[in-house]
Amino acid sequence: NAGVTQTPKFRVLKTGQSMTLLCAQDMNHEYMYWYRQDPGMGLRLIHYSVGEGTTAKGEVPDGYNVSRLKKQNFLLGLESAAPSQTSVYFCASSTRGTVSYEQYFGPGTRLTVT
Amino acid sequence: AQSVTQPDIHITVSEGASLELRCNYSYGATPYLFWYVQSPGQGLQLLLKYFSGDTLVQGIKGFEAEFKRSQSSFNLRKPSVHWSDAAEYFCAVKLAGGTSYGKLTFGQGTILTVHP
Repeated sequence: NAGVTQTPKFRVLKTGQSMTLLCAQDMNHEYMYWYRQDPGMGLRLIHYSVGEGTTAKGEVPDGYNVSRLKKQNFLLGLESAAPSQTSVYFCASSTRGTVSYEQYFGPGTRLTVT
Repeated sequence: AQSVTQPDIHITVSEGASLELRCNYSYGATPYLFWYVQSPGQGLQLLLKYFSGDTLVQGIKGFEAEFKRSQSSFNLRKPSVHWSDAAEYFCAVKLAGGTSYGKLTFGQGTILTVHP
């Protein structure tokens, strides 16, 4: 199993450009998450999804949109990139249940906005 | 709102020395607690987790952590550090109950440097 994969691994954008980050998981997990990681701030939740066709805002949702049209995929979009969105983006997934809350993480996407 | 604090931004130890990374949380109820490790350029890997029961939990790579309710702490320890342990370590907490949908709140991270 590949686990959680992210595409692309690196990207450089100019201010105002748009892009979509793709996250895919093959573990049949119900929950999926997008985080951003910035130095000294840990990981902060951008948006999350509890199932196909559902999304919800996390801690830092402004400037991002998401979609989950298929259970295995979770897309993160930047409509008009800003330098403040320079960061490393991580996708994660987890199963639904009362026992296991482990999140499985992808390898990350390093985004630079100039 | 819950918060997680890792007081040490950067720790340096010699190979073979013992290690303790601190984590404190602010929460109204007993949360679920996690430690993740991130090697340079990699994603996060789960080291260990605490849900309930024995307050001393064992994880992978020889790590352990102790939950102390009275101190709201979940410190990570290793008796003898290896050079390959150099990485960034994150403490994370999750609300108990189904309405949180598994969302984690992370600490700021502690960077571990290991000297030979």
